[in-house]
Amino acid sequence: AQSVTQLDSQVPVFEEAPVELRCNYSSSVSVYLFWYVQYPNQGLQLLLKYLSGSTLVKGINGFEAEFNKSQTSFHLRKPSVHISDTAEYFCAVSEDRGSTLGRLYFGRGTQLTVWP
Amino acid sequence: EPEVTQTPSHQVTQMGQEVILRCVPISNHLYFYWYRQILGQKVEFLVSFYNNEISEKSEIFDDQFSVERPDGSNFTLKIRSTKLEDSAMYFCASSDPWEPQHFGDGTRLSIL
Repeated sequence: AQSVTQLDSQVPVFEEAPVELRCNYSSSVSVYLFWYVQYPNQGLQLLLKYLSGSTLVKGINGFEAEFNKSQTSFHLRKPSVHISDTAEYFCAVSEDRGSTLGRLYFGRGTQLTVWP
Repeated sequence: EPEVTQTPSHQVTQMGQEVILRCVPISNHLYFYWYRQILGQKVEFLVSFYNNEISEKSEIFDDQFSVERPDGSNFTLKIRSTKLEDSAMYFCASSDPWEPQHFGDGTRLSIL
């Protein structure tokens, strides 16, 4: 089974500063990678995905992530954060199920808090 | 933009009672999922459903749980004889083949 590690449970940053949220996964088989964001009292919203192709993927709200197969990482970055980026961020991994992507394995989440 | 809707948003139930959580997946999606998140813990997979049958389930999804797609739009999770440890946020998700899963806002289940 997959294991997803988000090394930081909380990341406080000031507005307009850059941020990196780290994610590592365990499996060496073909994987598909996702970042979801959860705002208070809301569901999980897809931020970005890596299925194949370029290892640098861009998502919504100015976020991007880089898939690094040798380091089994998929870190999320944003060059300049806004207060509205304050939320919980989840890294998730899926495997090939033949006809579709499989179940998601989630990390524990990273609470990003942006201060003015 | 189409979305997954879940009802109710909050369900309070006495221990030992049965509860049904309801979900309306995105129209035309073929794959349906339930996940749960116990407070302070990871989001955990419960079950996936395709072509009117369970395609995968986790060790959490024991005989206490069942899923059903009673009509063309609803997808339900039933928990029989609820326990205190079933208290969690339950998320429904749906997807097309080879596409990311779209999640609802969740149902907060509180067992008293």
